[in-house]
Amino acid sequence: AQSVSQHNHHVILSEAASLELGCNYSYGGTVNLFWYVQYPGQHLQLLLKYFSGDPLVKGIKGFEAEFIKSKFSFNLRKPSVQWSDTAEYFCAVNAGGGADGLTFGKGTHLIIQP
Amino acid sequence: SQTIHQWPATLVQPVGSPLSLECTVEGTSNPNLYWYRQAAGRGLQLLFYSVGIGQISSEVPQNLSASRPQDRQFILSSKKLLLSDSGFYLCAWTGAGTEAFFGQGTRLTVV
Repeated sequence: AQSVSQHNHHVILSEAASLELGCNYSYGGTVNLFWYVQYPGQHLQLLLKYFSGDPLVKGIKGFEAEFIKSKFSFNLRKPSVQWSDTAEYFCAVNAGGGADGLTFGKGTHLIIQP
Repeated sequence: SQTIHQWPATLVQPVGSPLSLECTVEGTSNPNLYWYRQAAGRGLQLLFYSVGIGQISSEVPQNLSASRPQDRQFILSSKKLLLSDSGFYLCAWTGAGTEAFFGQGTRLTVV
């Protein structure tokens, strides 16, 4: 079974700082990779996804992530964060596009200080 | 466009009482449906998934059960709630080769 590890559970940054949230997964086959975000009081929404092709994927709100197959990683990045990026971020993997759901990491609580 | 409805948004139930949470999807046919539980600092745990009417797969043994009486309806149930069933429950759906779309969630407090 696949598993997902997010390295940082709590991250505090100042506005305009650069962000990188780590995500590693364990699965030897083809994977679909996702980053979801949950803003305070709101439902989970998709930031970006990787299915195939260019390993550098761009999502909404200036976020991007890079799939490095050799490292089993899918780190999330943003060059300059804003106060509105304060949220919980979840990395998720679906093995081979199967119907048995996504496996999520434990989440990273990001706080941006103005 | 597709939408997912989940209700109720919050629920307070006494220990030993039954539970029924409902989730419906609109705008798509034959979705894969999921129930997750979200706990602080523990991410999202997949509880059940369904690829079709009457087809339920359970990921973890627990005091809960799920049913899919119609193509776009997914129900999470319990006959007798435990204190440990408290949590935030999320319904989600996927199509073929797509990401998961989540409902607003239900905050369940068992007292």
